[in-house]
Amino acid sequence: NAGVMQNPRHLVRRRGQEARLRCSPMKGHSHVYWYRQLPEEGLKFMVYLQKENIIDESGMPKERFSAEFPKEGPSILRIQQVVRGDSAAYFCASSPSGLESDTQYFGPGTRLTVL
Amino acid sequence: AQSVSQHNHHVILSEAASLELGCNYSYGGTVNLFWYVQYPGQHLQLLLKYFSGDPLVKGIKGFEAEFIKSKFSFNLRKPSVQWSDTAEYFCAVNAYSGAGSYQLTFGKGTKLSVIP
Repeated sequence: NAGVMQNPRHLVRRRGQEARLRCSPMKGHSHVYWYRQLPEEGLKFMVYLQKENIIDESGMPKERFSAEFPKEGPSILRIQQVVRGDSAAYFCASSPSGLESDTQYFGPGTRLTVL
Repeated sequence: AQSVSQHNHHVILSEAASLELGCNYSYGGTVNLFWYVQYPGQHLQLLLKYFSGDPLVKGIKGFEAEFIKSKFSFNLRKPSVQWSDTAEYFCAVNAYSGAGSYQLTFGKGTKLSVIP
């Protein structure tokens, strides 16, 4: 019974490069959330997706960040032209539909370091 | 907008001591409340949650939390901590955002160090 999977666990990029973070939700879960954790801060909501749809992106920076959750395959958080301020831990969470949809289960996170 | 505050940044206890971690939230409507734990090097795990009903909620590993609506609080307690409870603890609330999601709002976390 695999939990939420994220890869890579650690990612190093130079300024100006692109970062792609992947998230595979738990089996049977159709809702995906992305959160960012800056040093000494709590997790901050970024975006909520269902298959092929972005439902709520109110926490996403307006530029350089995008997310998708295709019909097949993992959800991807993409950061273009990374800057040092993007260095953070990025967590994905998934939830099922129905009565338990309020409860989110987290992956191990991807720690992005921008040099 | 919702907000969550956790009173203590770092708590140090000896084994067998009792634990209480404070959490207060700010939101005018109905909320769901959560405590998550992050052990060193591991991902966030759900400790317990409150949706409705009995305000005293029991979770895994002997933890419990009490929802006090009048104080907007959801403090986490454990009567006797163990060294293995060393971790970071996050309080979170969610409410339907109106944009279709139940996004979680987290506190900044409390690091707990238990000394053997």
